Amino acid sequence: GDSVTQMEGPVTLSEEAFLTINCTYTATGYPSLFWYVQYPGEGLQLLLKATKADDKGSNKGFEATYRKETTSFHLEKGSVQVSDSAVYFCALRGDFGNEKLTFGTGTRLTIIP
Amino acid sequence: EAGVTQFPSHSVIEKGQTVTLRCDPISGHDNLYWYRRVMGKEIKFLLHFVKESKQDESGMPNNRFLAERTGGTYSTLKVQPAELEDSGVYFCASSRRQQNTEAFFGQGTRLTVV
Repeated sequence: GDSVTQMEGPVTLSEEAFLTINCTYTATGYPSLFWYVQYPGEGLQLLLKATKADDKGSNKGFEATYRKETTSFHLEKGSVQVSDSAVYFCALRGDFGNEKLTFGTGTRLTIIP
Repeated sequence: EAGVTQFPSHSVIEKGQTVTLRCDPISGHDNLYWYRRVMGKEIKFLLHFVKESKQDESGMPNNRFLAERTGGTYSTLKVQPAELEDSGVYFCASSRRQQNTEAFFGQGTRLTVV
């Protein structure tokens, strides 16, 4: 079945550091890929997505590129801020008709000033 | 537009008791999903409604869990009787019945079984 493997946390970085959170997946067909974020005390929010190979999703300075050859969707940000502290989840969704999301374990990110 | 709303936000119950979680999806969203995150682990799919019909309930852990969506609007997830391993955060999400549409999540219900 489908699965997502995500970099274990927690991750602690200084403000303005470069961030990478690794995510790889196993899936049949042509899944869509997502990064969700959960800020403290809030629900899950979609951060970015990519629906086909070589697509790049971007939002709030975060980027991730759908790499079919390496089955990866790594999340990157060039300069993190304290407000980026949250839990980040990588996820995939199957084709239309199989729309459930399969999530990774989540990575807790803490940014220190 | 109101978001996905879940009630209660927290629930603490004793082992053996019954708990009912509620989810109000975004109006007009035919798809409704339940997910669960047990402490520190991945968020796992429980089931998927399309309107009032169960499209996929392959993630339901056992027959102590019962989900309903009468009338195709709000949904309830009942756990009876609750066990310690049922503790976790239960998320609900909804989306339109269209390809590549975004799923919107509620804030979750944190269930603690003691």
